[in-house]
Amino acid sequence: KAGVTQTPRYLIKTRGQQVTLSCSPISGHRSVSWYQQTPGQGLQFLFEYFSETQRNKGNFPGRFSGRQFSNSRSEMNVSTLELGDSALYLCASSPRTGGGGYTFGSGTRLTVV
Amino acid sequence: DQQVKQNSPSLSVQEGRISILNCDYTNSMFDYFLWYKKYPAEGPTFLISISSIKDKNEDGRFTVFLNKSAKHLSLHIVPSQPGDSAVYFCAASASGSARQLTFGSGTQLTVLP
Repeated sequence: KAGVTQTPRYLIKTRGQQVTLSCSPISGHRSVSWYQQTPGQGLQFLFEYFSETQRNKGNFPGRFSGRQFSNSRSEMNVSTLELGDSALYLCASSPRTGGGGYTFGSGTRLTVV
Repeated sequence: DQQVKQNSPSLSVQEGRISILNCDYTNSMFDYFLWYKKYPAEGPTFLISISSIKDKNEDGRFTVFLNKSAKHLSLHIVPSQPGDSAVYFCAASASGSARQLTFGSGTQLTVLP
């Protein structure tokens, strides 16, 4: 079966712009979680969506938002980009809410200049 | 406040020898622990997990040990192979509806041929 698909793979944006990242989960998976990975910080939890509802949110500013569609695909948006937002953004899908059975996508590498 | 810590950013081991990766946690509510492996340009892949009701879980060359009193877990890889060279992340979660994963910062394992 197809894995978790994240698009685009690479992105370069200018400070102050906004960006939208996309994640298509494994077929049948209804939970999508987003993580930010920066050097030395590991993976920081952003938020989780299940059945189009945000179930949990990490400690990130309101500039980071997301949504999930009826087909379980999810998008993450970052507004007013800052240099520090440069990171690898990973999406993980699971058949159930709450962190179990995660399968990660390959990520979107965002560079803010 | 890092609730999951991997204090060794890197580890080098000779092929055929044992690799021991360590992880400490501070949140006593964590009751489920996982190890993920990550290659460059790929998302993390699940390796092995352990529930707090156990102190050891084994899967082929990989064994995870949990010491609840010390809030410490370790991943043993025996024998180590060059293909094991990757970044290893320790993750933990607490039971309940919001079972999100909290990750450590990762350890880069290099297995030398």
